Amino acid sequence: QKEVEQDPGPLSVPEGAIVSLNCTYSNSAFQYFMWYRQYSRKGPELLMYTYSSGNKEDGRFTAQVDKSSKYISLFIRDSQPSDSATYLCAMSAPGGGADGLTFGKGTHLIIQP
Amino acid sequence: DSGVTQTPKHLITATGQRVTLRCSPRSGDLSVYWYQQSLDQGLQFLIHYYNGEERAKGNILERFSAQQFPDLHSELNLSSLELGDSALYFCASRGMAGELFFGEGSRLTVL
Repeated sequence: QKEVEQDPGPLSVPEGAIVSLNCTYSNSAFQYFMWYRQYSRKGPELLMYTYSSGNKEDGRFTAQVDKSSKYISLFIRDSQPSDSATYLCAMSAPGGGADGLTFGKGTHLIIQP
Repeated sequence: DSGVTQTPKHLITATGQRVTLRCSPRSGDLSVYWYQQSLDQGLQFLIHYYNGEERAKGNILERFSAQQFPDLHSELNLSSLELGDSALYFCASRGMAGELFFGEGSRLTVL
């Protein structure tokens, strides 16, 4: 079983729709959860950062963490064509900084105008 | 702009050759992480340096090596290149909360 599972997509939705992106993980030690957005042939860009369980909102983006289910989500409201990209979840455990972050393989999102 | 700088952006070389990728972390950051990204494997952690010292190794092949210099820039050396080494190579520096800030990457094509 991979440490982090993420549906690769592609996920295609019409402009204005609410998008839900998800990851599951197996390592219960993970406490720090991040979402990155990566445009084609560009570097991953940090979108959201959450610690432990709960929700965090930033503009049109909401990140949710459910540690009991080992499940994290990213919601995008009022989706725009410019949101079309690959979204990667990432996570780490306390003191796990030496090994960097553990990433999902990414979900390719397409917003249709 | 993440503040992390990588060069070259793209290079094409032949099997058996050697290349060097360069990274400068964000101003004030002491850490450099190297990742490899290929279509089927996603982002794979290669190696981490902190203030000139190797801190952790991931899935880095013996043909690959890295170092971090006193001015904190880092180089990733890839030798005896194979077709399967074609990938995007990213470096990143670490923020205060453990998040990583990535450069734009170096795209390596081995022919």
